[in-house]
Order: sequence, then structure tokens, then C-alpha cells
Amino acid sequence: GQNIDQPTEMTATEGAIVQINCTYQTSGFNGLFWYQQHAGEAPTFLSYNVLDGLEEKGRFSSFLSRSKGYSYLLLKELQMKDSASYLCAVSLNQAGTALIFGKGTTLSVSS
Amino acid sequence: DTEVTQTPKHLVMGMTNKKSLKCEQHMGHRAMYWYKQKAKKPPELMFVYSYEKLSINESVPSRFSPECPNSSLLNLHLHALQPEDSALYLCASSQGFPQGGNQPQHFGDGTRLSIL
Repeated sequence: GQNIDQPTEMTATEGAIVQINCTYQTSGFNGLFWYQQHAGEAPTFLSYNVLDGLEEKGRFSSFLSRSKGYSYLLLKELQMKDSASYLCAVSLNQAGTALIFGKGTTLSVSS
Repeated sequence: DTEVTQTPKHLVMGMTNKKSLKCEQHMGHRAMYWYKQKAKKPPELMFVYSYEKLSINESVPSRFSPECPNSSLLNLHLHALQPEDSALYLCASSQGFPQGGNQPQHFGDGTRLSIL
């Protein structure tokens, strides 16, 4: 079976740094995506990792360790608008058509 | 605004009605998807179309019937739905086969469906 684990909820304050972890055990692996979803809106793409290491995109970074089945999303200089659900998703095939989502982490940012 | 357009945004229907959800993308993507999302849950894959052919059906009840008329359009026909089918229905598209694995899926804003 496929298993992707993330913490259910996290809280942080404006200006802080938060790390959202994701561990996975899946039948295939062709990369890991992070999506952000605000309540009532579509998931939007944040980052993609297929090789071990860190990918940086502005205030967001994502890390992957394939040997450990582990990824994290790092959010710096938190803003209130970063309050959202963050979804870790594993791509199972080369075509990118089989995506398995974790349950999502709800992040609440307070002032 | 997203590059994947879904209509209608909201739909209320009775259990005996027949309705359709529509999805359109003009990014040249060859893979399109239907997901169902309940509140505070992740999206659950329902169907995948690759090059206008149904490639994945995740054991979805036959009261949901997908259709892909062309590479830009994806429909979901609904008939005799149950109250537990009330959810947000998301359409997505991606580059797809053969080397689309590093390309993200792009999601529409969804149709919020309520079954009375």
C-alpha cells in the first residue's frame, strides 16, 4: 500500500520559520511535490524534488532524502497569508499521472 | 485565477437529478484528472485521462461518468447521487506521458457540490 505521513496541524507566528515534515513509503517514486491550499480554493504548486537535496524558491524551500523516504517544506519570514493547508504528494510514475497525496498539514500563522 | 477553468462553481442537486461538471484547459496538457475532496481531507483521485483515453478509474461508482470530448475538455456526468457525494470536485491537468513526471498538476478552483 501507499503511506504518506504529515503532521495534522502546526502553529507559528509572523516572521518565524516553520518546517513541515513528510515521510513516505510508496510502491514507486518519481518525485515529490508540495502544494498549498487555502480554504475553499484550488491547490497550488509550490515545489518539486526528485533528487536528494534542497530546492529553494524565495521564502519556500523543500528538501528530499530518498534513502530515508523523507521530505520537508521550510517556510521563512512567515506571513498571515501563509495560513493554509500544505499537501505533500508523491508521484508514482514517469508520466506524472499517478499522484498520491498526504493528508495535509494545516498551518495557522498568528500575529 | 487558475489556468484550469471549472463550471459551475457551485451546484445543488437532488438525488434523482442528472447534471454535468465541466473542465477546460488550454495549456496543451495531455493528461486530465477528476478529484473529490471532502472538508479537511486531501484530494482523492477519481479518474485520469491520458491523450483523451481513460487510463485510471479508482473504483468510482457508476453514478459518476467521465467524458473527455477533446484534449482541452473534461466532463463529469452525475446521476442519482447520494448525500455522501457532497464534496468539492477538482479538475486538474498536467503534461502527462511520456516525460511529464517532473511537471506539476494544475488544479481548477473546483465545483462545490451539494446533494439534497
